[in-house]
Amino acid sequence: AQKVTQAQTEISVVEKEDVTLDCVYETRDTTYYLFWYKQPPSGELVFLIRRNSFDEQNEISGRYSWNFQKSTSSFNFTITASQVVDSAVYFCALSEINNAGNMLTFGGGTRLMVKP
Amino acid sequence: DAGVIQSPRHEVTEMGQEVTLRCKPISGHDYLFWYRQTMMRGLELLIYFNNNVPIDDSGMPEDRFSAKMPNASFSTLKIQPSEPRDSAVYFCASSKGGPANNEQFFGPGTRLTVL
Repeated sequence: AQKVTQAQTEISVVEKEDVTLDCVYETRDTTYYLFWYKQPPSGELVFLIRRNSFDEQNEISGRYSWNFQKSTSSFNFTITASQVVDSAVYFCALSEINNAGNMLTFGGGTRLMVKP
Repeated sequence: DAGVIQSPRHEVTEMGQEVTLRCKPISGHDYLFWYRQTMMRGLELLIYFNNNVPIDDSGMPEDRFSAKMPNASFSTLKIQPSEPRDSAVYFCASSKGGPANNEQFFGPGTRLTVL
């Protein structure tokens, strides 16, 4: 069975600090996808990134970066020079490629508060 | 392109009433998902459809919940009778293609309050 754990339920930082959100997953499959979604205070879920299990290359997109390590089953998300607009709940999710329906298993989310 | 559209955005009803939530997926997407989000349980998948056919409804909490997808552009989630514990935000999401293309696009959600 697949499982996603986001141990940090809430993080508070001051603007311009760097912050890393942790995500640890469990799966029996060798092929799977990992995702990060952002849920701002307005409530909608916004897709940030998808990574497949064969691509362990880290990715950077502006102030966002992701570190995927299969050896530790982790897919961590770092925001550099955080801004107040980054305040949101961030969800990590897992989808096994063998499941026919693209089902996502979500972690519990990490609430990030960036204070000015 | 319009994203996933959900209606209503907010619904307040009394216990025992029937509630119908509506979703229009992104045109061309062949998968549709219904999720429920609560503080206690987080985001839970209730049911999903592929090409309008329900594939897995194991997440539907009980018989009071039912979902239909009569065509590729419309789905409903119905709760009858509603109970206070059904209060939550209900999201609809859609995606195109199989596992290699499984980014799910979420609607804005319907916030349901059952009094």
